Amino acid sequence: QSALTQPASVSGSPGQSITISCSGTSSDVGGYNYVSWYQQHPGKAPKLLISDVSHRPSGISDRFSGSKSGNTASLTISGLQAEDEADYYCSSPTSRSTLVFGGGTKVTVV
Amino acid sequence: QVLLVESGGGLVKPGGSLRLSCAASGFSFSDFYMGWVRQAPGKGLEWVSYIGASDYTFYYADSVKGRFTISRDNAKNSLYLQMSNLRAEDTAMYYCAEYGYNYAFDIWGQGTMVTVSS
Repeated sequence: QSALTQPASVSGSPGQSITISCSGTSSDVGGYNYVSWYQQHPGKAPKLLISDVSHRPSGISDRFSGSKSGNTASLTISGLQAEDEADYYCSSPTSRSTLVFGGGTKVTVV
Repeated sequence: QVLLVESGGGLVKPGGSLRLSCAASGFSFSDFYMGWVRQAPGKGLEWVSYIGASDYTFYYADSVKGRFTISRDNAKNSLYLQMSNLRAEDTAMYYCAEYGYNYAFDIWGQGTMVTVSS
């Protein structure tokens, strides 16, 4: 199972909006409305940001939003803040009953 | 307070074995799927395995199939990962996580480091 495709890095200025893409196939992203997104700060465990493509768990800022079109999911961070500087990963279940992560995207706030 | 605490990591020689444990508290452990995710130094997340609430369902990544065995003891609120025939490429931080019905890892432990080296 190949990893989902994410851009290696995305940058933005404080207050701007950025979007991270997550591309897969009809056997994973395109076949299920269960894309999740995780945020990971250096040296810390990942944290769930978005589940079910666009659902924010309790306590997650509404500056984070998710969407999906076909085989590609997206995470948008609006009103970018310095604390958003981290690595972001998408994931999806697959038709083989396994799970696959994206390669990760490093977000830099410049 | 919901908590997952991993243990059992360490340095092991190639071909060796190691058993990771994950102690859960603060939620109804026996009601939830659980899983393991690993992260090699400087690399991304890699799903390893998950197990159903009642221990009858389990799946593995191709990279560990036949070498790793996931199990759980609901009476002890504990999750395990038995790793054998370890390779250098298994070197990683191993995270235990609660795997929700929406295929998301909702709760994560702090991780335990496994290093495979001679």
